[in-house]
Amino acid sequence: QKEVEQDPGPLSVPEGAIVSLNCTYSNSAFQYFMWYRQYSRKGPELLMYTYSSGNKEDGRFTAQVDKSSKYISLFIRDSQPSDSATYLCAINTNAGKSTFGDGTTLTVKP
Amino acid sequence: EAQVTQNPRYLITVTGKKLTVTCSQNMNHEYMSWYRQDPGLGLRQIYYSMNVEVTDKGDVPEGYKVSRKEKRNFPLILESPSPNQTSLYFCASSLSANNQETQYFGPGTRLLVL
Repeated sequence: QKEVEQDPGPLSVPEGAIVSLNCTYSNSAFQYFMWYRQYSRKGPELLMYTYSSGNKEDGRFTAQVDKSSKYISLFIRDSQPSDSATYLCAINTNAGKSTFGDGTTLTVKP
Repeated sequence: EAQVTQNPRYLITVTGKKLTVTCSQNMNHEYMSWYRQDPGLGLRQIYYSMNVEVTDKGDVPEGYKVSRKEKRNFPLILESPSPNQTSLYFCASSLSANNQETQYFGPGTRLLVL
């Protein structure tokens, strides 16, 4: 079993929809939670970073962490065609070990 | 400009021919890390370094070596490359392991081992 499981997708939504991306993890040592966006042929770009349970909002993006359920989510409001990309969750220990989900490819149709 | 640079960006080589992929950052970051990305598998951590002379294995270290002799550089060495090391490689750095908000990724190195 993988330490981080990400809902595989792919996901296709109309412009303006709310998108929900999800990951679960199994290792209680994980303490830092990230979401990345990766456009085709580019490196990952950090979208959201948090280390506590609860919600963190940044513009149209909300990251949610539930440590008791070992579940993290990324919500995108009012999705735009420019949000079309692969989204990766990543979870780190405080010793620097980093584990990524396999990614979810999102397409937002105009 | 703050950045992580990788060289080469593209490389075709043959099985067994030693190669080094360089990674350099100009932000005085302590933490650096190497990942490989294969289709449908996200990123998998190869090695990471918390600071100079401190390196640790990630999830897929077999067949790779690293060194961290100075803060800015973190080269990835393939002593005897094999076709299963054909992949897209990314280097990343951040201020510290617990400060991923400051993280930057390099542009990637696409490696083909024949």
